[in-house]
Amino acid sequence: AQSVTQLDSQVPVFEEAPVELRCNYSSSVSVYLFWYVQYPNQGLQLLLKYLSGSTLVKGINGFEAEFNKSQTSFHLRKPSVHISDTAEYFCAVSDRGTGNQFYFGTGTSLTVIP
Amino acid sequence: NAGVTQTPKFQVLKTGQSMTLQCAQDMNHEYMSWYRQDPGMGLRLIHYSVGAGITDQGEVPNGYNVSRSTTEDFPLRLLSAAPSQTSVYFCASGLWGRQPQHFGDGTRLSIL
Repeated sequence: AQSVTQLDSQVPVFEEAPVELRCNYSSSVSVYLFWYVQYPNQGLQLLLKYLSGSTLVKGINGFEAEFNKSQTSFHLRKPSVHISDTAEYFCAVSDRGTGNQFYFGTGTSLTVIP
Repeated sequence: NAGVTQTPKFQVLKTGQSMTLQCAQDMNHEYMSWYRQDPGMGLRLIHYSVGAGITDQGEVPNGYNVSRSTTEDFPLRLLSAAPSQTSVYFCASGLWGRQPQHFGDGTRLSIL
């Protein structure tokens, strides 16, 4: 089974500063990769996904992520954060073969400081 | 367009009671799934369905049942509630590749 590691459980960052949220997955087989955002008391929203093609994926709200197969990583980045980006961020992975199972990381809480 | 609707939003149960969490989607998605979210553990898949009449187990299925009689509805049943089932439950649906694209706002369940 796959596993997803989000090394940072909490990331504080000042407003307008850049941020990187780290995500690593376990398997070397071909995978699909995703980032979701969860605002307080809400469900998850899809930020972006990597299925194939360009390793740099752009998503909503100015976020982007880069797929690095050799390092089995899919880090999320934003060049300048806003207060409204304060939320929980989840990385997720599914195997290309079956796609039946979908594995989430434990989440990273991003706090943007005014 | 309501998306994914979960009811109730909050529920308190006593140990041993049974209940059904409701989930409905109006996007004609074939794929639906149930997750539980616990602090420090992310989301874990309970059960999923790839179409009406088809369900399968996820990572943590014990103590839960599901059925899918229509494309729109995917209820989750707790057979005999236990304190370990205290959690926030999310229903999700998707159109492509069994990926959860749309989530409901969750049901916060406490078992005393």
